[in-house]
Amino acid sequence: EDKVVQSPLSLVVHEGDTVTLNCSYEVTNFRSLLWYKQEKKAPTFLFMLTSSGIEKKSGRLSSILDKKELFSILNITATQTGDSAVYLCAVTSGTYKYIFGTGTRLKVLA
Amino acid sequence: NAGVMQNPRHLVRRRGQEARLRCSPVKGHSHVYWYRQLPEEGLKFMVYLQKENIIDESGMPKERFSAEFPKEGPSILRIQQVVRGDSAAYFCASSLDWGSPLHFGNGTRLTVT
Repeated sequence: EDKVVQSPLSLVVHEGDTVTLNCSYEVTNFRSLLWYKQEKKAPTFLFMLTSSGIEKKSGRLSSILDKKELFSILNITATQTGDSAVYLCAVTSGTYKYIFGTGTRLKVLA
Repeated sequence: NAGVMQNPRHLVRRRGQEARLRCSPVKGHSHVYWYRQLPEEGLKFMVYLQKENIIDESGMPKERFSAEFPKEGPSILRIQQVVRGDSAAYFCASSLDWGSPLHFGNGTRLTVT
């Protein structure tokens, strides 16, 4: 059965810290991996990764995929209170589904 | 440039009633997904639809739940004879084509009393 596992489940840091969120997966016919940020409402799209070793970057957020070891990391540098959210990882496979992990709940303290 | 629109935002139903959740995808998107989310949990896939077709409904209970995406109008997720265990947030997402990033609506929070 296709599976996406995120770790840690939750994380509390102080403003200015750097955090690394992990996403590992086991799916048939992997196509892509996506990261989303969910605050109170709709998850918002951050990155889509399809190729190993190529870093995607947007401001203080960056992400990289390792297709050999079947995982991705999401890094957030110089965290701010506005980064507090649940970060969701999803994987697409040959079965047309977008399979989501349970998310990492990040809390950034001022 | 409206995003995915879901309504209602909140829906309260008594046990045994029907719940109808609506989703209008991003203009031009023909792929619609429905997900269910319980507190402190991730998004669980329910059903994937394209215009007038159900592509994959493997995540949706076979009884009481149905979904449609007609040629005209919004996608509808219908839950008949609701039970307390149906209480959850239901999110709709759309994409331009399969494999593209999903755009999510703000969800419908269903409470069954």
